[in-house]
Amino acid sequence: GESVGLHLPTLSVQEGDNSIINCAYSNSASDYFIWYKQESGKGPQFIIDIRSNMDKRQGQRVTVLLNKTVKHLSLQIAATQPGDSAVYFCAAHVQGAQKLVFGQGTRLTINP
Amino acid sequence: DTEVTQTPKHLVMGMTNKKSLKCEQHMGHRAMYWYKQKAKKPPELMFVYSYEKLSINESVPSRFSPECPNSSLLNLHLHALQPEDSALYLCASSPTSQISGANVLTFGAGSRLTVL
Repeated sequence: GESVGLHLPTLSVQEGDNSIINCAYSNSASDYFIWYKQESGKGPQFIIDIRSNMDKRQGQRVTVLLNKTVKHLSLQIAATQPGDSAVYFCAAHVQGAQKLVFGQGTRLTINP
Repeated sequence: DTEVTQTPKHLVMGMTNKKSLKCEQHMGHRAMYWYKQKAKKPPELMFVYSYEKLSINESVPSRFSPECPNSSLLNLHLHALQPEDSALYLCASSPTSQISGANVLTFGAGSRLTVL
């Protein structure tokens, strides 16, 4: 199977600073990873994804880094804004499976 | 239409009641999912439907009964639930059940269920 864990349940950053949220996975057969953002009262919203044949992918203000050697991925949010306040989940897909395994989530709080 | 719509948003039911949660998408997706999310926890997969057929049941108790009447609709029938079943129930869909960069799951806002 697969287990996915996040390093910190909560993260507090100053508005305008960069945020880094970390995630570890256990199964070396995991071939695809997604970061989701979940705001209060809403379902998870796709942010960015990365395949296991890549080590970095950039989106608008977000970057995902994948280190397959240590089975670690991170989400970097540049110039954090109040609207970034949410719970962030990483999710891993194991090759051949039809499901995603979600990590425990990190609550990101933005200080003004 | 790029949304997954879930109804009702909130549901309160007794342990002897029968109720249903509904999910609808018009994106042409052929895979649909039910997830359960307890407070401060990640979503946990319950069921996967692929081309209107049940393909995964994650050992969910029979008091939860999924139904996929057509490619756009997914129901979750609830009967004789327990208070510990109180949670946010999330529906999701994807183009197919082969999860990859081209098949990202799109989630609905969820139905918050309280069992008294």
